[in-house]
Amino acid sequence: DADVTQTPRNRITKTGKRIMLECSQTKGHDRMYWYRQDPGLGLRLIYYSFDVKDINKGEISDGYSVSRQAQAKFSLSLESAIPNQTALYFCATSDFGFTGELFFGEGSRLTVL
Amino acid sequence: SQQGEEDPQALSIQEGENATMNCSYKTSINNLQWYRQNSGRGLVHLILIRSNEREKHSGRLRVTLDTSKKSSSLLITASRAADTASYFCATDAFGGGSEKLVFGKGTKLTVNP
Repeated sequence: DADVTQTPRNRITKTGKRIMLECSQTKGHDRMYWYRQDPGLGLRLIYYSFDVKDINKGEISDGYSVSRQAQAKFSLSLESAIPNQTALYFCATSDFGFTGELFFGEGSRLTVL
Repeated sequence: SQQGEEDPQALSIQEGENATMNCSYKTSINNLQWYRQNSGRGLVHLILIRSNEREKHSGRLRVTLDTSKKSSSLLITASRAADTASYFCATDAFGGGSEKLVFGKGTKLTVNP
């Protein structure tokens, strides 16, 4: 099984719908992240969490919310999806410490019509 | 915001040739990382180089860092078709933690058999 698992892997939805992307990890890491990838724009940080009680906004948090249900679970929600939120979404984790290495899930491709 | 910028945006070479990709960034860093992404998949960490290091090797990968020029290069020697992927550099902020890694837009490498 993958260390960082994202569900769903693919989702097509309509404008205005609420969408939740889920992430679970078995690496035992405290730090979890949600990134968004758009063609030609690289990865941009949406939200990150240092531990269950710590949630921080990234550079593009508007229109998104997150929930850290447990050390191993970090969910991203789009309360009312819009077409420009069509993108590839990645969850990642990292260990406490200064190695800086991120471990990524396989991504969730979201299409908003 | 600080960001790594990769150059070139795309690179096409023949199997067996060397591939060199460059990354420039704007502000002081603690470390710089390189990641690989196969098409539509999650990113995979390749190598991390700290600001007090000038060169680092891992298998067929060689990374250099020039903090005076705020630049890094990734060299892949004796490339293989399986090296076809996008490559991203990621930088953190001086005094900050790895939870705020900022990714560049990537270099798309194609290795032709």
